Amino acid sequence: EAGVTQFPSHSVIEKGQTVTLRCDPISGHDNLYWYRRVMGKEIKFLLHFVKESKQDESGMPNNRFLAERTGGTYSTLKVQPAELEDSGVYFCASSQERGGTQETQYFGPGTRLLVL
Amino acid sequence: AQSVSQHNHHVILSEAASLELGCNYSYGGTVNLFWYVQYPGQHLQLLLKYFSGDPLVKGIKGFEAEFIKSKFSFNLRKPSVQWSDTAEYFCAVTPRNTGFQKLVFGTGTRLLVSP
Repeated sequence: EAGVTQFPSHSVIEKGQTVTLRCDPISGHDNLYWYRRVMGKEIKFLLHFVKESKQDESGMPNNRFLAERTGGTYSTLKVQPAELEDSGVYFCASSQERGGTQETQYFGPGTRLLVL
Repeated sequence: AQSVSQHNHHVILSEAASLELGCNYSYGGTVNLFWYVQYPGQHLQLLLKYFSGDPLVKGIKGFEAEFIKSKFSFNLRKPSVQWSDTAEYFCAVTPRNTGFQKLVFGTGTRLLVSP
């Protein structure tokens, strides 16, 4: 069974440009999460999809970030326009369980974003 | 808001030494508890988890953790570390039965095991 995959693995862009990150969850997993780790800080939650619906987007930093999950399969996270403080590692995770009682999230390798 | 504290940011041990990494969380309700590990160049992997039952849980690669509810702690242990345990370790919690399933992470502990 393939794990969570993310593309690209690395991205270097200039301030003001747009970047789109992609996450493919484990097949059959309805829950999809985005997290971010800024250098030296903890991994922080961004948002949670259940299928194609946003269940919780309380962690999204601002309206420069747009996440989508059309069709309830893969997800994209677009940053437009990117700022220096957006640099970090963006992780995607997925899980199968519903209801949150005994859920285990499985993580992708992350996308390292550097904004210059 | 929930928070997780990992007391040691960097730990250096020699092979065969015993390991204990501290983790404390702040949340008054029932939680699920996790330890994840990220080996150099690899993605986050689940090391072990606690949902309910026996508070001493065993994970992969000889790791174990003990949930002490009264102390809001979930410390990670290994009796004898190996060079291959060099990695960054993350404690995480998620509250149960709230409808919000996001993981709240600690800042991570970088473990370096010297051969």
